[in-house]
Amino acid sequence: EAGVAQSPRYKIIEKRQSVAFWCNPISGHATLYWYQQILGQGPKLLIQFQNNGVVDDSQLPKDRFSAERLKGVDSTLKIQPAKLEDSAVYLCAILEDYEQYFGPGTRLTVT
Amino acid sequence: GESVGLHLPTLSVQEGDNSIINCAYSNSASDYFIWYKQESGKGPQFIIDIRSNMDKRQGQRVTVLLNKTVKHLSLQIAATQPGDSAVYFCAESLNSGYALNFGKGTSLLVTP
Repeated sequence: EAGVAQSPRYKIIEKRQSVAFWCNPISGHATLYWYQQILGQGPKLLIQFQNNGVVDDSQLPKDRFSAERLKGVDSTLKIQPAKLEDSAVYLCAILEDYEQYFGPGTRLTVT
Repeated sequence: GESVGLHLPTLSVQEGDNSIINCAYSNSASDYFIWYKQESGKGPQFIIDIRSNMDKRQGQRVTVLLNKTVKHLSLQIAATQPGDSAVYFCAESLNSGYALNFGKGTSLLVTP
């Protein structure tokens, strides 16, 4: 089974600060996703990568969010500047055999 | 816009009983559906999936039913156990790259 590591697990920042999250799939997978999960809701897709390229970023708030995938393996998601409504869990997932495997997520609190 | 939603936000069942979690979807073009289980502090975990050319699929203690006529999906868990306590999400595939549109979730609580 595929494994997905994420760091940090928790982050607390003040509004208008910047923050970055990392996603490290244990083994290489072509397709990688970032989701945002607000408390009490289901995950919402932010961006989908196929290798190094972006497949879908239609729901990514591009004025403050950015993401990149390095060498088709690891990925980073950045928020600059953060707003209160960005408080959520940020989940990274990879696709293996048509199934998505999720990491444990990074819980972001913006105060 | 198109969305996937759940009928009930919470469900409480006794250990050993069967559980049924329902989901409605609005996009008639959706052709792939998945149920996920999410425990506190963890990412969603795949349970079972079904494609639109099927109306039923069974796994270990779980069954997914798809009614395309009324755009309804259900997850049945047999002999529910305390370890089944979690939030359950239905999701539909957004594109050919299997990106997912999740519903809000149903919290299942299994009592002894």
